[in-house]
Amino acid sequence: DTVLTQSPALAVSPGERVTISCRASESVSTGMHWYQQKPGQQPKLLIYGASNLESGVPARFSGSGSGTDFTLTIDPVEADDTATYFCQQSWNDPTFGAGTKLELK
Amino acid sequence: QVQLKESGPGLVQPSRTLSLTCTVSGFSLTSYGVSWVRQPPGKGLEWIAAIWSGGSTDYNSALKSRLSISRDTSKSQVLLKMNSLQTEDTAMYFCARLKGLIGGSYYFDYWGQGVMVTVSS
Repeated sequence: DTVLTQSPALAVSPGERVTISCRASESVSTGMHWYQQKPGQQPKLLIYGASNLESGVPARFSGSGSGTDFTLTIDPVEADDTATYFCQQSWNDPTFGAGTKLELK
Repeated sequence: QVQLKESGPGLVQPSRTLSLTCTVSGFSLTSYGVSWVRQPPGKGLEWIAAIWSGGSTDYNSALKSRLSISRDTSKSQVLLKMNSLQTEDTAMYFCARLKGLIGGSYYFDYWGQGVMVTVSS
């Protein structure tokens, strides 16, 4: 299985720029996708195909990367962005990263 | 609009079989695939199984021997069965619609709210 590694937690102030990283154990080309999950809710798709913004998602969210290294950027961060962010690949059997918990100072 | 709703028993005894139903609306199961994903309390997401628009199926290799996914297109339902349940199977179970990209990658663009399943005697 392709293992996805994310940093466990980040804390930023509203208005700042934050980057959340995801590293794959093998190349997944641009087959990386990002989700936001708030407590008690289902995951919500933010970015698909590494850099494509899902319809209805604010343009403050963007994604980049290819191969094994990917980034989700939020700029500027707002209070409502407090959540856990997961990356997901489906180059072979789908796997998810363990999630990055974003907290606001 | 697109909606998915999971249903099933909240409590299952160890060694028994779990049956879950995902009822969808706003799209056809012959046009889109559906997957099941689970999340143990306080932990990350684990893909379980998928049934594609053509009816073919895929399973998590670690769970494959215990799983069966099927669908009833007339009822717009996807069914998941998992046998030999253990306490480690306690989790929120989500169903999600599959969306494919050119090149073979796919992702989950709509999710249900999930159903909590507790395995306990």
